[in-house]
Order: sequence, then C-alpha cells, then structure tokens
Amino acid sequence: AQSVTQLDSHVSVSEGTPVLLRCNYSSSYSPSLFWYVQHPNKGLQLLLKYTSAATLVKGINGFEAEFKKSETSFHLTKPSAHMSDAAEYFCVVSEWGGNKLVFGAGTILRVKS
Amino acid sequence: NAGVTQTPKFQVLKTGQSMTLQCAQDMNHEYMSWYRQDPGMGLRLIHYSVGAGITDQGEVPNGYNVSRSTTEDFPLRLLSAAPSQTSVYFCASSYGSGGAGGTDTQYFGPGTRLTVL
Repeated sequence: AQSVTQLDSHVSVSEGTPVLLRCNYSSSYSPSLFWYVQHPNKGLQLLLKYTSAATLVKGINGFEAEFKKSETSFHLTKPSAHMSDAAEYFCVVSEWGGNKLVFGAGTILRVKS
Repeated sequence: NAGVTQTPKFQVLKTGQSMTLQCAQDMNHEYMSWYRQDPGMGLRLIHYSVGAGITDQGEVPNGYNVSRSTTEDFPLRLLSAAPSQTSVYFCASSYGSGGAGGTDTQYFGPGTRLTVL
C-alpha cells in the first residue's frame, strides 16, 4: 500500500529565506509524486509532479522538488520565500498513473515579514 | 472551459437528511473522483469513476453513493447525513490515460463545505 508522511505540520520562515518542506513516501511500485498547494479557503493547485523522468522537478512560482529513491523522499524547496507562499502544502503519491491519489496530512507554511 | 464545477459551495444539513453534491466537468475527462478534506488528514478518496457507467470505492466510501450516467457529471449522494460527514468535499477529473508512472494531472473543483448538525 502507498502512503505519504509529511514530516512537519507547520513550517515558519522569514521572507527572502529558503523554504524546505519534507516528504517521505512508501510505495510498492514506481510511483508518481506531486506537490499541491492550497491557499486559505481556496481549491488545490498543482505545483509540480514527478513521473519517472528527471529526478529534479521544477514547478511553478520557483518551487522545485528532488526525487530520491534511496531515501524514499520528495522534499519541496524554494530558494527565497515570498509572503504569497503562505499556504498549506500537500505531498501526494499515486501508483495508478496520477489517479487514486494518496495525500499527506499537509504542511502549513507561514512566511514572516 | 469552465473546468470542474461544484454546487453548492456551502450546505448545512441536519442529521438524517439526504442531499446530492453536484460535480461537472467540460474537458471530456474519463476519470472523475471525490475526496473529502478534514483538518490534519489531507484529502481522502471517497469514490472514483473511470468512465460512464463504471464506479468504484476509494478509501472512505461508507455513507456515500455515486453513479456516472454521463461523461460530464459525477454526483455524490449522502443518503442519511451524519455529523462525521462534516467536511470539505472536492471533486476532481483527469483524462484517465495514465498507467503505472503515468502523467495524469488531476483538475480539482473549488470544493463544497458541508456541515451536518
């Protein structure tokens, strides 16, 4: 069975400093991995996805994630946080071609001015 | 394209009442699904459909019914609402072409916030 663990429920950074949101996954097969973002009282927006091509994946708004099979990790990073990055971020795994998604519990990112 | 639309945006029910959450997409997607979002638990899959006339259960199907008579619509029915069904419900759709390691991207609707008293 597949599962996702987001290692931090809350992360707080200052504007202009790097962001690191950690995610470990468990999967019996070669999974597809995603990061979604949800701003307060909004729907979900896809940030980036990994589907067995390049292990370093670039997404929207300067975010990127690196797939590390040996560590079963898919951490999300951004070099410099912006106030507009404050939101909840979900790491997601799929063994079914991007369908039947399994979500992590989410990490709330706070950006301080 | 309107994308994925959901109605209503908000709903308050009393325990035991029934209702249908509507979901429609205009992208000719084969795959549609329903998730519920609860604090600290992410989103969990309720039911999904791989095409008209075909549905299956997800992780948390109890208390919910679905049917898929057209490609465009995928309603979620609560037959007898319970306070445990208080949640935010999201509908999603995709082309459904992904196999193992595939590239399907889910398109999410704006959500329905349901409160059961």
